[in-house]
Amino acid sequence: GAGVSQSPSNKVTEKGKDVELRCDPISGHTALYWYRQSLGQGLEFLIYFQGNSAPDKSGLPSDRFSAERTGGSVSTLTIQRTQQEDSAVYLCASSLGPAGGDNEQFFGPGTRLTVL
Amino acid sequence: QKEVEQNSGPLSVPEGAIASLNCTYSDRVSQSFFWYRQYSGKSPELIMSIYSNGDKEDGRFTAQLNKASQYVSLLIRDSQPSDSATYLCAVTHGSSNTGKLIFGQGTTLQVKP
Repeated sequence: GAGVSQSPSNKVTEKGKDVELRCDPISGHTALYWYRQSLGQGLEFLIYFQGNSAPDKSGLPSDRFSAERTGGSVSTLTIQRTQQEDSAVYLCASSLGPAGGDNEQFFGPGTRLTVL
Repeated sequence: QKEVEQNSGPLSVPEGAIASLNCTYSDRVSQSFFWYRQYSGKSPELIMSIYSNGDKEDGRFTAQLNKASQYVSLLIRDSQPSDSATYLCAVTHGSSNTGKLIFGQGTTLQVKP
């Protein structure tokens, strides 16, 4: 079946512009995660959605970052007034159930964001 | 101190040797531990998960967990050039076995033919 998909695959924007990144999780997966990976670095947790529960937003680096998940499926990560330090690969993942335990996180291909 | 620490490497081993990758974590109550492999330019993929102290084997891979020492490792036996990648250690945050994952920065493994 289809895996996690993300769009766009690449995004180049100018400093100060807003961007929206989209994630389509695997059908039926209740949990969805956003991570950020800068060059040569590990994954930085941003936000976690689980079913109808309030999302865990503890990883969002500033109030310029927000995310929503509509209908328990598609998620959009929005970065307002982008800065050069926002340049990174933004990865989305989903899992069948809550994070941890036997619920493997499957990753999408990522969106490479470049802020000029 | 970072929550999950790994030696960034690169770790270089000859083909056929055992590669040993190590990870320490700071949250004493973490319950679930994972190893992901990430090829250059690709997304991470899960290799192993471990929840109890001791060893867990899957093919050429063995994960080892020592909660008292807050240490988790991954052994790759009979290393192959195709194993060359970055290996990410991930730990669940908090005392629940569910919740967000905290990743280490990864160790780059190079297997030389």
